[in-house]
This record gives sequence, C-alpha cells and structure tokens, in this order.
Amino acid sequence: GESVGLHLPTLSVQEGDNSIINCAYSNSASDYFIWYKQESGKGPQFIIDIRSNMDKRQGQRVTVLLNKTVKHLSLQIAATQPGDSAVYFCAETLFTGKLIFGQGTTLQVKP
Amino acid sequence: DGGITQSPKYLFRKEGQNVTLSCEQNLNHDAMYWYRQDPGQGLRLIYYSQIVNDFQKGDIAEGYSVSREKKESFPLTVTSAQKNPTAFYLCASSIARTAGAQYFGPGTRLLVL
Repeated sequence: GESVGLHLPTLSVQEGDNSIINCAYSNSASDYFIWYKQESGKGPQFIIDIRSNMDKRQGQRVTVLLNKTVKHLSLQIAATQPGDSAVYFCAETLFTGKLIFGQGTTLQVKP
Repeated sequence: DGGITQSPKYLFRKEGQNVTLSCEQNLNHDAMYWYRQDPGQGLRLIYYSQIVNDFQKGDIAEGYSVSREKKESFPLTVTSAQKNPTAFYLCASSIARTAGAQYFGPGTRLLVL
C-alpha cells in the first residue's frame, strides 16, 4: 500500500510493503526539514532530516524526498514492520529557527 | 528520547495550584523548548530559550512561566492563570535555535483534578 501526492491522515499498509507518507510544507523560504515518529504516549522521535540544497537523503530503511518546486516532502519506509506503526510528522524550519509542524499521518501496519 | 529527561511522567493539578514540570538534557545543547500537544493535534510552542538566563515567549505563553538558570535545565511552571492545562507537555533541545534538529523528551501528561 502506497499513497503518492496527497496527504492522508491515515495510511494502512501490509507488513513487508513499502510505505510513502506525504507532507506539503508552507514556506518556500524554509531551508531545513525533519521527519519525526511519535508513538502513543511518547515524545516525537527524530527519524531523518534534509536540507534544502538536497532532493534526496537515505537512512536505514527510510528515504526522504524533497521537491521544492511544489513544496512537497515525502518519507518512504521500506519493508514496513509492525514497529513502524505510529504518527509521523514532518517539520520545516525557517531561518529564524522556528519549527513548523505539518499535519500528522497515522501509519497502521497490518500483519 | 536521547539525552532529554522529563519528570514526572504524570502530574495532577488541583484548581488554583501552580505546578512545575522538569526538563533536563545532557546533550550540551544551547537551545531548549517547551511544547504543548492536545489530543489529535500538532505541537504548539509555549516558550523557548536560546541560551542560559534568556528565554522568549512562543505562540501560547499565557498562563505559563519558565526559567533557565543552568544550561542543562529548563523547568516549566503551569500557573493557576492557565485555565485549560490538561495536555501532553513536551520538552525539546537543539544545538542552537537556528541550527540542528530538535530532539524531544518523553513528555509529561498533566491532568486536572
């Protein structure tokens, strides 16, 4: 199960499939972007970041893509596992340092 | 949760009472932040501090106060003036206000008796 292009509040995927979580950011002047994962009752956990001079960055099982033309950010999770179930937030940082959080997406992983 | 600790995990406040939430970090970060999260909503900035003995109001500072006497510590007081304090409170820190990602603590859930 994948979603491309549109922000969905909830994304349900089968265990082992790839997940794509989308985020539209608001300010064309934002120069630094972060993806966070928040499990129920816990604080947000840093996953991966990307600067505006890049369009792709890879981590362990995760890839972030940045399209500045349309102000769009996506998080790809490979081989999604039950432990990936959480709410995922994107955040953009203005030059002032202010962090602006996007709408969260709840990822549900079906066994 | 990195090197950021928050205590207590749960806190109960009686009407008219001030309560203080603790936040400590051992990451040697200069900047620290307090956010409030309500159910199903994003994070809203209460206060932030860029350096010791300095702090600035965020978007929803009314009814809250902070201090930054030590680099490692940034306690938040929820005063009796905050009429709707029930929420999940998150502390974060970063290398500097304008550099690096913010890393979050585990949170404190404040409930009103």
